[in-house]
Amino acid sequence: AQTVTQSQPEMSVQEAETVTLSCTYDTSENNYYLFWYKQPPSRQMILVIRQEAYKQQNATENRFSVNFQKAAKSFSLKISDSQLGDTAMYFCAFQDITQGGSEKLVFGKGTKLTVNP
Amino acid sequence: ETGVTQSPTHLIKTRGQQVTLRCSSQSGHNTVSWYQQALGQGPQFIFQYYREEENGRGNFPPRFSGLQFPNYSSELNVNALELDDSALYLCASSFRTGNYEQYFGPGTRLTVT
Repeated sequence: AQTVTQSQPEMSVQEAETVTLSCTYDTSENNYYLFWYKQPPSRQMILVIRQEAYKQQNATENRFSVNFQKAAKSFSLKISDSQLGDTAMYFCAFQDITQGGSEKLVFGKGTKLTVNP
Repeated sequence: ETGVTQSPTHLIKTRGQQVTLRCSSQSGHNTVSWYQQALGQGPQFIFQYYREEENGRGNFPPRFSGLQFPNYSSELNVNALELDDSALYLCASSFRTGNYEQYFGPGTRLTVT
């Protein structure tokens, strides 16, 4: 079974600075996707960024980028120029995309990020 | 494009009762997944529905059941409610064998007393 570990329960950063959230995962599969989701106090889970395991190039979405190290099974999220609206719980998630599978998401326990003014 | 919607927003039930939660998938999506998120935890996969059939199930007992309708909307039913069933229930829709991205609804907060 796949597992996802987020070792930082809470983090804080000053507005406009950069912060990196850590995530490691364990799997024996070769075809999978990795995601970062954001869950603000409103509870809505919002997709932040996606990484396909077969791609060596790290994904980027505006101020958000990942450092994907497949051999180390590491998938960290970097947030640049942090904004107050980035304050939220951040979840790392693994998805096995083996054909015929359920494509379920396996989540970590989350990191609570607070951006301070 | 209509997003994922869930009803009701909040629900309070008594131990032993039954509850039905509803989800309407995003336009163009054919797959619905349900997750349970206990307080302070990450979501846990309950099950997924594709083409009106269950297509994968997590470690949840049979008293958790579901349906998917021809319009791809879905229901989650929980029988014989227990106190530990108190959680946020999240529905996510996706297009199977598409880009694998799942889009979540705002959730239903269930409290069992």
